[in-house]
Amino acid sequence: GNSVTQMEGPVTLSEEAFLTINCTYTATGYPSLFWYVQYPGEGLQLLLKATKADDKGSNKGFEATYRKETTSFHLEKGSVQVSDSAVYFCALSDGGGGFKTIFGAGTRLFVKA
Amino acid sequence: ETGVTQSPTHLIKTRGQQVTLRCSSQSGHNTVSWYQQALGQGPQFIFQYYREEENGRGNFPPRFSGLQFPNYSSELNVNALELDDSALYLCASSRGNILAGGPGELFFGEGSRLTVL
Repeated sequence: GNSVTQMEGPVTLSEEAFLTINCTYTATGYPSLFWYVQYPGEGLQLLLKATKADDKGSNKGFEATYRKETTSFHLEKGSVQVSDSAVYFCALSDGGGGFKTIFGAGTRLFVKA
Repeated sequence: ETGVTQSPTHLIKTRGQQVTLRCSSQSGHNTVSWYQQALGQGPQFIFQYYREEENGRGNFPPRFSGLQFPNYSSELNVNALELDDSALYLCASSRGNILAGGPGELFFGEGSRLTVL
């Protein structure tokens, strides 16, 4: 069945450091890929998405590229801020309407001033 | 535009009891999905409803059941509660369904935190 594996946390960085959170997936067919973020005390929200191979999703300085050959969707940001401290979830869906979206275990990011 | 709202936000039950959680979907959304998020884990898919019918189900026993109403709001019912059911229950709404295609991003409520004693 479909699955998502992401790097374990927590990840602790200083402000302005470079961020990478690794995500790999297993799926039949051609899933859509997502990164969701959960800020402290808030609900999950979509950060970015990509729907086909080689697509790059981007938002708020974060980027991720859909790599079919390596089945990966790594999240990157060139310069993190304290406000980026949150839990990040990689996810995939292989149907319309967000059908049966599968989430990774989440990676907690702490950014120090 | 009204977002996804869930109720109650917190509740405590004892083993063997039954619970009903409620969700109002975002305006314009016709699909509702329910997830269970244990502490420190990612959300686990329970089931999805589209036009009042179950549209897909994860690896959860039949004592987890749901409903979707004509206004697209939804309920999650859990019977015979067990200690391991303690978790944050998330509702998410989206547009379309599996046949409609599209990227299918989910819009989440803040969840109902259930504690089973």
